[in-house]
Amino acid sequence: DGGITQSPKYLFRKEGQNVTLSCEQNLNHDAMYWYRQDPGQGLRLIYYSQIVNDFQKGDIAEGYSVSREKKESFPLTVTSAQKNPTAFYLCASSLDLTGTDTQYFGPGTRLTVL
Amino acid sequence: AQKITQTQPGMFVQEKEAVTLDCTYDTSDPSYGLFWYKQPSSGEMIFLIYQGSYDQQNATEGRYSLNFQKARKSANLVISASQLGDSAMYFCAMREMNNAGNMLTFGGGTRLMVKP
Repeated sequence: DGGITQSPKYLFRKEGQNVTLSCEQNLNHDAMYWYRQDPGQGLRLIYYSQIVNDFQKGDIAEGYSVSREKKESFPLTVTSAQKNPTAFYLCASSLDLTGTDTQYFGPGTRLTVL
Repeated sequence: AQKITQTQPGMFVQEKEAVTLDCTYDTSDPSYGLFWYKQPSSGEMIFLIYQGSYDQQNATEGRYSLNFQKARKSANLVISASQLGDSAMYFCAMREMNNAGNMLTFGGGTRLMVKP
């Protein structure tokens, strides 16, 4: 089945540790995105990527890093510099960055910092 | 200023009745798109419906329709014949075409609860 997978579903991290969230898609989409959602709020864009080996900061990129070495994969690293990392993280993809392309989302990863 | 405003934090609707979820937006870009997503308790965002700023007709997808009033800058979602499975958070989002990328701006969401 075509879709977007995120792993793990739940992630616990100690303060001061970096952690990497996985996002994989087999939709042959060029563009991929990472969003953060805090309780009771909408989504905010962290990073996005239009093509392999290229990515751009979104509205809240500080304390996060990404890579795009393969079209199918867009992992997000939450670094120790992120002051308040406990949140729900959603990955999305779209055919490309132009036109009226709809973004489709993965199931999300819930990160808790202990 | 908020680009997307959803003024109803929570809504109740009786099963089988219709419900309207409000969304107003703010943009000076003449070309934009409006999206509605559903987020059940599992967390995944499910795309429901899309309306382009130049579309002449209101978008419809099954039980979902979008009441697009361009002059008022509103894009309300209408769900007809509500079902228990419609209970979820609903988010309105906008993409402005003059953005460098396909970035969506989301509203704060409305929690819909369908009563049996």
